[in-house]
Amino acid sequence: QVQLVQSGGEVKKPGDSLKVSCKTSGYTFIDYYIHWVRHAPGQGLECIGWVFPKNGDTDWTQKFQGRVTMTRDTSISTVYMELTSLTSDDTAVYYCARENWYYDHWGQGTPVTVSS
Amino acid sequence: DIVLTQSPESLAVSLGERATINCKSTQSLLNSSQKKHSLAWFQQKPGQPPKVLIYWASFRASGVPDRFSGSGSGTDFTLTISSLQVEDVAVYYCQQYNRSRTFGQGTRVEIK
Repeated sequence: QVQLVQSGGEVKKPGDSLKVSCKTSGYTFIDYYIHWVRHAPGQGLECIGWVFPKNGDTDWTQKFQGRVTMTRDTSISTVYMELTSLTSDDTAVYYCARENWYYDHWGQGTPVTVSS
Repeated sequence: DIVLTQSPESLAVSLGERATINCKSTQSLLNSSQKKHSLAWFQQKPGQPPKVLIYWASFRASGVPDRFSGSGSGTDFTLTISSLQVEDVAVYYCQQYNRSRTFGQGTRVEIK
């Protein structure tokens, strides 16, 4: 069955960088886009960007321009999202999700707290 | 960017009664190549990732009870829960995937 398993929760300080992994299984890794979405406390769901594992293409929401990098390692069917220059506004649960036009499978979420 | 506006922001419905959530888009969500509307509905419970209920505006995802249904076209869409159950208490989001991806702000559903 399709599974997306994310790395564990993190506590960061303002200015730090964050790298979250999303290990996939149960399907052909290179055939599906993987998107990143976050859910901040008391807020709605926010799209961050995506990576296409077949060729490494990426795109991101303008808000994250210059701060986000998404990569993949095809040898272990894993994608990564790195977010730099963290502030308290980046405190959220970060999710990866497989795109099948819509998001049909999600990771369990990675809680991230940014606090001094 | 396409903006989705959900209404109401929250609603309380008696068990067994109907719940209706609306989602209005600033642009048509018709995918001309697929001839379907690029709108999905998700349910999110505390501590869990979102779960897809409806895709292409009206197709129920695998394993989703048939009390959930989606309808609409163009810019206006609706999620209906025909007979609210305790386990349906959650926040519901619409999402468009016609141009990039955006979510509505969410609608909290509670038991009256």
